[in-house]
Amino acid sequence: KNEVEQSPQNLTAQEGEFITINCSYSVGISALHWLQQHPGGGIVSLFMLSSGKKKHGRLIATINIQEKHSSLHITASHPRDSAVYICAVSSYNNNDMRFGAGTRLTVKP
Amino acid sequence: NAGVMQNPRHLVRRRGQEARLRCSPMKGHSHVYWYRQLPEEGLKFMVYLQKENIIDESGMPKERFSAEFPKEGPSILRIQQVVRGDSAAYFCASSPGLAGVMVGEQYFGPGTRLTVT
Repeated sequence: KNEVEQSPQNLTAQEGEFITINCSYSVGISALHWLQQHPGGGIVSLFMLSSGKKKHGRLIATINIQEKHSSLHITASHPRDSAVYICAVSSYNNNDMRFGAGTRLTVKP
Repeated sequence: NAGVMQNPRHLVRRRGQEARLRCSPMKGHSHVYWYRQLPEEGLKFMVYLQKENIIDESGMPKERFSAEFPKEGPSILRIQQVVRGDSAAYFCASSPGLAGVMVGEQYFGPGTRLTVT
């Protein structure tokens, strides 16, 4: 079993829909990251959080440390949000990231 | 302030050749991480380096792969005698270090896509 599990693997939505991507992890962490990878491959860090909730524009990330679960929400989705969204965790012992397999989001106009 | 830079962006090598991938961290960053993304797979940690030191290389194959981060110049990921299975995107990330920054804060480069023919 992977240390970081994401669901769904693939997600197709209509423009304007509210989107949720889930991430569960099984190890102790110091921080959880949400990353975005567009076609062409560049990776952008969206959020890093260790508790609670963060918001940036139409993106919201939450984490529940007790349940070892995080969600990424996109409100009023747009075709330009189409990308792979990756959940990753940093452990207490080291500073590298362990990644989920990613969720491929396609937003149709 | 330039971001993390990687070169080349695309690299084609024939089986048996050597591949050298370079990563210049953000200015002021002294920690570098290399990650590999195989086709249709997720990212995997390879190695974590500080200047002149390998901190954690637990994700790096024992043979043919090596990494360095010299006192001056970029970090280099070196793959000797490449095989088709080495074809992947290799991403570098950098961070300022542990002191004074949230653990886990990393900035990614654009990646190097290695194709072995």
